[in-house]
Amino acid sequence: SSELTQDPAVSVALGQTVKITCQGDRLSSYSPSWYQQKPGQAPVLVMYGKNNRPSAIPDRFSGSISGNVASLTIFGAQAEDEADYYCNSRDSTRNFFVFGPGTKVTVL
Amino acid sequence: QVQLQESGPGLVKPSETLSLTCSVSGDSISNYYWSWIRHPPGKGLEWIGYISHSGLTNYDPSLASRVTISTDTSKNEVSLRLRSVTAADTAVYYCVRGPNDFWNGYYFSYFDNWGQGTLVTVSS
Repeated sequence: SSELTQDPAVSVALGQTVKITCQGDRLSSYSPSWYQQKPGQAPVLVMYGKNNRPSAIPDRFSGSISGNVASLTIFGAQAEDEADYYCNSRDSTRNFFVFGPGTKVTVL
Repeated sequence: QVQLQESGPGLVKPSETLSLTCSVSGDSISNYYWSWIRHPPGKGLEWIGYISHSGLTNYDPSLASRVTISTDTSKNEVSLRLRSVTAADTAVYYCVRGPNDFWNGYYFSYFDNWGQGTLVTVSS
């Protein structure tokens, strides 16, 4: 089983805000990265560090950490944000990398 | 902009060796770490392992006995070999730049460039 836990699925109305969470014992000291994956496509990095976006990622994506729970928030979700979202961090030994099981985001 | 392109057989027989090559353009592989990550059908992403710019390797413990990641700096390529494959190794395999590791009062890492992926099916 993954050392990172995520809700399997969330839905959001078009233009509303959705928060995706990732829980893990080490996240307070080892911040996760987040990846968006659409069907048939490679994952794309959307967030790293506590709240760092690659230049191509819209500013409606925001990251935060509180204790051992990291969050990726999409403000004003768009239809194109519908995808699977995975968090990733080092495992408890800090030697290896683990992915969360992923959260499927549906935009209604 | 760095570009990564995976190549290799799409079908491998059980008990044989899966071999994939990642051709990197737009940057030297000597400047970064490089990972292989896979996505089995119907499941989540799985990190396989990485090779550093100095040739240091680190593999997921569940695969370490079967996997080798190597580089060919003359060709700017990264390779993956996975021995004794079974149907459970069927997946889309991605070549990825990273991890990129940083410290800014806290540790963080990320994988910032991904190849398009290549589907490898293990079947007789």
